[in-house]
Amino acid sequence: QKEVEQNSGPLSVPEGAIASLNCTYSDRGSQSFFWYRQYSGKSPELIMSIYSNGDKEDGRFTAQLNKASQYVSLLIRDSQPSDSATYLCAVKASGNTGKLIFGQGTTLQVKP
Amino acid sequence: GAGVSQTPSNKVTEKGKYVELRCDPISGHTALYWYRQSLGQGPEFLIYFQGTGAADDSGLPNDRFFAVRPEGSVSTLKIQRTERGDSAVYLCASSLSLRASGGALNTGELFFGEGSRLTVL
Repeated sequence: QKEVEQNSGPLSVPEGAIASLNCTYSDRGSQSFFWYRQYSGKSPELIMSIYSNGDKEDGRFTAQLNKASQYVSLLIRDSQPSDSATYLCAVKASGNTGKLIFGQGTTLQVKP
Repeated sequence: GAGVSQTPSNKVTEKGKYVELRCDPISGHTALYWYRQSLGQGPEFLIYFQGTGAADDSGLPNDRFFAVRPEGSVSTLKIQRTERGDSAVYLCASSLSLRASGGALNTGELFFGEGSRLTVL
């Protein structure tokens, strides 16, 4: 079992729709969770962080965390073609380490 | 510049050669990370530094890989006896650390450089 799992996609949604991206993780002690966006040929950039169970909203983005189910998700409302990218889920390992473990990423395609 | 700087941006080398990749982090960021990324995969953790010391090197694949950060700023990733399987984009990232009662607390919010693409022929 991979430490951080994501469906590689591609996930295709029409412009204006809600895109839902999911991630599961295996380290039950993890406390910090992140979503990074990576455009083709570019480096990852942080878009959301979440530390507590529940929802966290930032503009069109909502991160959801359920530690009991070891599940993190990212919702993108009113999807735009410019949102087309690979979305990487990252989990900070438990214990006395700053190690961040990434999933393989989900490719999102927003079609005009 | 204000961001993370990596050099070279591209490196082509022959199997068996030695390679050094350099990373200059954001000023004031005490945590520095090295990842490598192959096509279609997420970044694979190699090592991270808190200041000058390697806080976690559990991701280094074998003893051909080594990294240093002697003055707590610039870091160099060194690969000996390169193999074709080492071909990838090597990403460096830096992060702010917060002071906590148990020592430095890494926020986990990473700022990445543009990467060094290594091709081993």
